[in-house]
Formats: sequence, structure tokens, C-alpha cells
Amino acid sequence: LAKTTQPISMDSYEGQEVNITCSHNNIATNDYITWYQQFPSQGPRFIIQGYKTKVTNEVASLFIPADRKSSTLSLPRVSRSDTAVYYCLVGLSNTGGFKTIFGAGTRLFVKA
Amino acid sequence: GAVVSQHPSWVICKSGTSVKIECRSLDFQATTMFWYRQFPKQSLMLMATSNEGSKATYEQGVEKDKFLINHASLTLSTLTVTSAHPEDSSFYICSAGPLSRTAGSYEQYFGPGTRLTVT
Repeated sequence: LAKTTQPISMDSYEGQEVNITCSHNNIATNDYITWYQQFPSQGPRFIIQGYKTKVTNEVASLFIPADRKSSTLSLPRVSRSDTAVYYCLVGLSNTGGFKTIFGAGTRLFVKA
Repeated sequence: GAVVSQHPSWVICKSGTSVKIECRSLDFQATTMFWYRQFPKQSLMLMATSNEGSKATYEQGVEKDKFLINHASLTLSTLTVTSAHPEDSSFYICSAGPLSRTAGSYEQYFGPGTRLTVT
């Protein structure tokens, strides 16, 4: 089971870049890494997914080193609306299907 | 993008009654749906995985007779909390996926959640 470890919480200020690192030492060869954002009383929202090296979309970048035992979500120029919990997930494939186990997540608080 | 809806968004019921929560994939077919439970300030806990047309697979510690899951079609899964008790009060979230099955890569879309309060 690919367990993930993230910092429990992080504080930042508006306009700064925020990097959240996730450890997943037991990641399987076929597993992708996915990050989600969750606001209170809402379902998680997909942010970005990657397998190796770097992936960038309109909201974030994901950096994955060659050994894939960790990954870093980078949020450029955060605003207060980015205050949320961020989850790093590594998929577990089993026979005939997939399932994902959520770790504790990182609670990001963006200050004015 | 793929949209998953849940109904109701919140429900209050009396202890001992049953409550049904619906999860629908609105613009895609979902062969697999997942049900999670989340308590305040905690992470999501996977309860069960349901595959269309077959019995759900429950995670360890989740009572299958208490949390009945039905996935009768490719766009609808239901979770019924039977004989609800106050300790069942929680935020229940479903997700649907994958849309494509590249090995290890999948897309999982979450519903908005259902807040259940048992009095």
C-alpha cells in the first residue's frame, strides 16, 4: 500500500509561491500521483496528476524526482482563496479496479 | 468536465431510521464509484468501492449490513445508512472514475458531499 506523508499544515502570504511536498516511498511502478484540493464541506477537487518529471497546468505545477518517492505541488502566487486542505494521493491498483487512500493532507492557510 | 452530483446535500434524520444518499455521474458512465466518510477536521476515509452490476467491496471495519451500497447503473450509486445512530453523523462523499484506464492513471471526480445529522 503506497502510504503518503505530508506536512500537517503550512502558512503563507498572498502573492507567494507555496510548495507542498509529499513522500510516497512505496509507490508502485504503474502508480500516478494526484493532488486534490478540498474546501470545508465540499468534495475534493482535482488539481493535477503526474507520473514523472514535471507537469504544469493553469493552476499548479507538479515536480516528481526520478526515484518517484516524493512529489512537490507548487502553487504560484497564492491568494486567500487558496486556503484549503491539499491531499496527495497515490493510486493503488488491484485486480479489476482501482482504489485510493487519502492521507492526512496539508492544511494551507494563506494570510493577507 | 466530468460532473458528479449527490442528493441530498444535507439531511437530518431521527435515530433508528434509514437514509438513502444518491450519487450520479452526470455526463459520463462510471463503472466504479467510491464512497467516503469524513468527520470534522479529518481526512476522507474510504468506506467501499462499488462496481456496476456487482457487490460492493467494503473496507475493513465498515459494516456492510449497515451501509448498503447499490450500483445498479453506470450513472447511479446509492448509499443507504440503515438504522442510523448519532455516531453515523458525518459528511459522506462519493466519487466516480476512472474515465480511462491507462495502467495506474485514472481520473476520479468527487461529488459535493452529503451532510448527515442523526438526532
